[in-house]
Amino acid sequence: AQSVAQPEDQVNVAEGNPLTVKCTYSVSGNPYLFWYVQYPNRGLQFLLKYITGDNLVKGSYGFEAEFNKSQTSFHLKKPSALVSDSALYFCAVRDATSGAGSYQLTFGKGTKLSVIP
Amino acid sequence: DAGVTQSPTHLIKTRGQQVTLRCSPKSGHDTVSWYQQALGQGPQFIFQYYEEEERQRGNFPDRFSGHQFPNYSSELNVNALLLGDSALYLCASSQGLPGPEAFFGQGTRLTVV
Repeated sequence: AQSVAQPEDQVNVAEGNPLTVKCTYSVSGNPYLFWYVQYPNRGLQFLLKYITGDNLVKGSYGFEAEFNKSQTSFHLKKPSALVSDSALYFCAVRDATSGAGSYQLTFGKGTKLSVIP
Repeated sequence: DAGVTQSPTHLIKTRGQQVTLRCSPKSGHDTVSWYQQALGQGPQFIFQYYEEEERQRGNFPDRFSGHQFPNYSSELNVNALLLGDSALYLCASSQGLPGPEAFFGQGTRLTVV
């Protein structure tokens, strides 16, 4: 079974400061990892993904994430937070090994990011 | 380029009724997945359709069923609605199976009263 943990329900950061949203995962095989953002009453917007290759992945809107296999983590980062980054962030994992269970995305419970002006 | 579109955006149903939600995938995508997002939770996988067949199913009862049409659009049907079925239902599309990242629609907010 695959799972995702987002240990912080809420993260507060001052505008202009760096931000980190934490994610750890568990999967049987190799992971495909994703970050999505959700604004109020909206669907999920794709931010970035890790499939293979470089451990540092760059995505939309200046976000990046670092894959750490030994710590089974995929933390989302941004060097300088904007007020408009305030939203709900979801980490998701999929098992890269083909077969039963490999098609579905498993999401964390989400982390609410508040950027304070 | 149209993204994933879902209809309706909001829906109110009475307990015991049946509901059908619709999804059109992003242009060029042939795989459709459905997720249920309860308030304050992350999305939960319901099932995935590819080549008009259900390819994988999450931990949802048989009251939840679906269909994919030759044009890749999809429907989610829920029978005998319960109050606990109230949620945001999200459709996601991708290319191939298993595909790369999934793109999500805006969702259908279902309220069961």
